[in-house]
Amino acid sequence: GAVVSQHPSRVICKSGTSVKIECRSLDFQATTMFWYRQFPKKSLMLMATSNEGSKATYEQGVEKDKFLINHASLTLSTLTVTSAHPEDSSFYICSQGYTFGSGTRLTVV
Amino acid sequence: QQQVKQSPQSLIVQKGGISIINCAYENTAFDYFPWYQQFPGKGPALLIAIRPDVSEKKEGRFTISFNKSAKQFSLHIMDSQPGDSATYFCAASIGGGTSYGKLTFGQGTILTVHP
Repeated sequence: GAVVSQHPSRVICKSGTSVKIECRSLDFQATTMFWYRQFPKKSLMLMATSNEGSKATYEQGVEKDKFLINHASLTLSTLTVTSAHPEDSSFYICSQGYTFGSGTRLTVV
Repeated sequence: QQQVKQSPQSLIVQKGGISIINCAYENTAFDYFPWYQQFPGKGPALLIAIRPDVSEKKEGRFTISFNKSAKQFSLHIMDSQPGDSATYFCAASIGGGTSYGKLTFGQGTILTVHP
């Protein structure tokens, strides 16, 4: 199966700053990747579909200006949380196909 | 609208017992049904998956039973072990085209296996 690498595994940032999370497909060229968000003891909720070479497709209720997604190559998608606030603190997970990365724990202080 | 409903929310089983988790879906366009296992602080890992043209699939101690007419599917873990203690998620997907890999998840079941 696919191998998906996600970095960083955890990050703490100050309120108002931006944070970038990387998701790499190590052994498969991925034209499409997905970003999910998971609150503690909750399920995964799809945030957006990352499309190589074109704009991401966001799910209803997800602020595209806050969660910037870039998929400039077939192996890398990035999620940037802009002007982060404490309510953005969460576990962010990417996937390629049905394989998930290890997730990123974001804490905004 | 929640499209995949999962139960129970939590489950406690003795070592060697059978763990059963149930899911129901609404969208008949779904054609791929995976189960994931997630440990704290980790991403979900694919356990086993089934397509609706099959009523049962078994891989080791894990079995999926699928009832297309009832729009229900379940995960059975035989001979449950303490190492199986984790959160389990069912999911559903429309498998083809640009939706390949796009998943709708159930609410999750926290499984605890006592030694």
